[in-house]
Amino acid sequence: GDSVTQMEGPVTLSEEAFLTINCTYTATGYPSLFWYVQYPGEGLQLLLKATKADDKGSNKGFEATYRKETTSFHLEKGSVQVSDSAVYFCALSDRTSGNTPLVFGKGTRLSVIA
Amino acid sequence: AAGVIQSPRHLIKEKRETATLKCYPIPRHDTVYWYQQGPGQDPQFLISFYEKMQSDKGSIPDRFSAQQFSDYHSELNMSSLELGDSALYFCASSLGGGNSPLHFGNGTRLTVT
Repeated sequence: GDSVTQMEGPVTLSEEAFLTINCTYTATGYPSLFWYVQYPGEGLQLLLKATKADDKGSNKGFEATYRKETTSFHLEKGSVQVSDSAVYFCALSDRTSGNTPLVFGKGTRLSVIA
Repeated sequence: AAGVIQSPRHLIKEKRETATLKCYPIPRHDTVYWYQQGPGQDPQFLISFYEKMQSDKGSIPDRFSAQQFSDYHSELNMSSLELGDSALYFCASSLGGGNSPLHFGNGTRLTVT
């Protein structure tokens, strides 16, 4: 079945450092890819998405490019802030193959220190 | 903008009791999803409804049931609660099926003692 693998955390960075969280996927159809962020005590918020190969999703300084050749959707940000500390989930939706909605990776906890 | 509303935010129950969690989707969203997130875990899909009919079923135990009502709100009913049911339960909604993004509520934290 479909699956998402993302780098294990926790990731600890200093403010203004460059962030990369790796995400790769396995899917049988043509999935859409998402990054969700979960701040402490809150629900998951959609951060960005990409629906087809070579699409780039971006939001709040975060970017991710849908790479079909490497089945990847790595999350990047050029300069992180303390307020970016959260758990980040990579996810895919492959409903075209009749699979269950939104499969998540295990999540990566990011801590940004001042 | 209106978001997904879940109630209650916190719930404490004893083993073998029952619990009902409620979810109010974003207005005009026709699809509701329920997810369970254990401590330090990724969310696991339980069940979903589209236009008040069950559309997908995931890893929902037989002790749990859910439905979507005519006003599109949904309820997750949990019976014979076990310690292992302690988790965050998220509801999400979307407009239409397919690969539309899911919008999540803030969750209900259920603690079974």
